[in-house]
Amino acid sequence: QVHLVQSGTEMKKPGSSVKVSCKTSGTTFSSYALNWVRQAPGQGLEWIGGINPIFGEGNYAQKFQGRVTITADEATSTAYMELKTLTFDDTAVYYCAGGVVGAGLDSWGLGTLVTVSS
Amino acid sequence: QAVLTQPSSLSASPGAAARLTCTLRSGINVGTYRIYWYQQKPGSPPQFLLRYKSDSDKQEASGVPSRFSGSKDASANAGILLISGLQSEDEADYYCMIWHSSGWVFGGGTKLTVL
Repeated sequence: QVHLVQSGTEMKKPGSSVKVSCKTSGTTFSSYALNWVRQAPGQGLEWIGGINPIFGEGNYAQKFQGRVTITADEATSTAYMELKTLTFDDTAVYYCAGGVVGAGLDSWGLGTLVTVSS
Repeated sequence: QAVLTQPSSLSASPGAAARLTCTLRSGINVGTYRIYWYQQKPGSPPQFLLRYKSDSDKQEASGVPSRFSGSKDASANAGILLISGLQSEDEADYYCMIWHSSGWVFGGGTKLTVL
């Protein structure tokens, strides 16, 4: 069974950056695509981007292009999502979600709450 | 127009069936897509339920009751999640998802109330 363990709650100022981690276990990291999905308070799910460790490059939703970077460290089986130039609208729970490359998102982390507040 | 449209809410009685729809935008043919379905309860992450493209290309997540099934309505250009024999524990938000234009796209979600 795949486990995705995310880093803890973050409180950030507008204009700053946040970096959230997601450590995987129970699967072969190189064959497991990791994605980031966020959910603002009371809202639906929004895909931010993902990474296929085989290729090592992130793939991002157009909305976040230029503001987000997703990376993967195969040595530690950990993926990272860095979001820059935060605004109040970035307040959300950020989920790490993964699946075998070519499949969907069948495993999810518990989420990381990121609050942007002045 | 959104890529995926879901009714914002649906109510049904215990023991009845609930038919949740996920309508694809005009010009996007439901027949070519795997539709993924997720259940989310308050305070918890989404949980993968199943995916459906056709009767020969479908998968249910381990441990998901057989009361949950997927299908398509080609005439409506929609994916369908059917939940039969509704139980109170089925009350949750349900999201559909597809891979479209090199990214994952979610529907807005349907809040299912069992009353």
